[in-house]
Amino acid sequence: AQSVSQHNHHVILSEAASLELGCNYSYGGTVNLFWYVQYPGQHLQLLLKYFSGDPLVKGIKGFEAEFIKSKFSFNLRKPSVQWSDTAEYFCAVKFGNAGKSTFGDGTTLTVKP
Amino acid sequence: NAGVTQTPKFRILKIGQSMTLQCTQDMNHNYMYWYRQDPGMGLKLIYYSVGAGITDKGEVPNGYNVSRSTTEDFPLRLELAAPSQTSVYFCASSNRDSAGNTIYFGEGSWLTVV
Repeated sequence: AQSVSQHNHHVILSEAASLELGCNYSYGGTVNLFWYVQYPGQHLQLLLKYFSGDPLVKGIKGFEAEFIKSKFSFNLRKPSVQWSDTAEYFCAVKFGNAGKSTFGDGTTLTVKP
Repeated sequence: NAGVTQTPKFRILKIGQSMTLQCTQDMNHNYMYWYRQDPGMGLKLIYYSVGAGITDKGEVPNGYNVSRSTTEDFPLRLELAAPSQTSVYFCASSNRDSAGNTIYFGEGSWLTVV
């Protein structure tokens, strides 16, 4: 069955620490991959996405993610987090020609000042 | 710059009551979705639509109904509200294009069933 899993439920970091949030999916075909972010009290918004081409994708606010097809992964990274990065992060995958994306359960990131 | 608009933002319902969450988008998107978000449970798809007149069940459709009579509107109906339907509801839309189906979300509707 097609599924999306995010390994970390809650991550706590100090400012300037490096971040990596894991996302894996199970599906052997073509995928579109997304990371969405939900800041406290706000609605979800797109952080970055991959649909073809360079597997290293750069998004807003210094975030990037790398699609590793052989590992079915799309991990989110940021070299140095800020307090303002405190938010919930969702990985989402569109499988093949499906008209909908499947979301992971989300990872809550808390950055201590 | 309206995007996806959903109403109401907050509502308290009694068990057994019914209500409709309204959702409209002005981006001419073909796809529309309703998700619910529960703490620690991520986003669960309730219903979605790939175009006017077409709706499909998502992961958690029980207790809900939808309709899509126009491209712009996708209301979500709760017929007999139950405490298990206490949640935050997000309407969203997207379009199939070369840039890969980015989803645009509304601001959410907080529903409490007591």
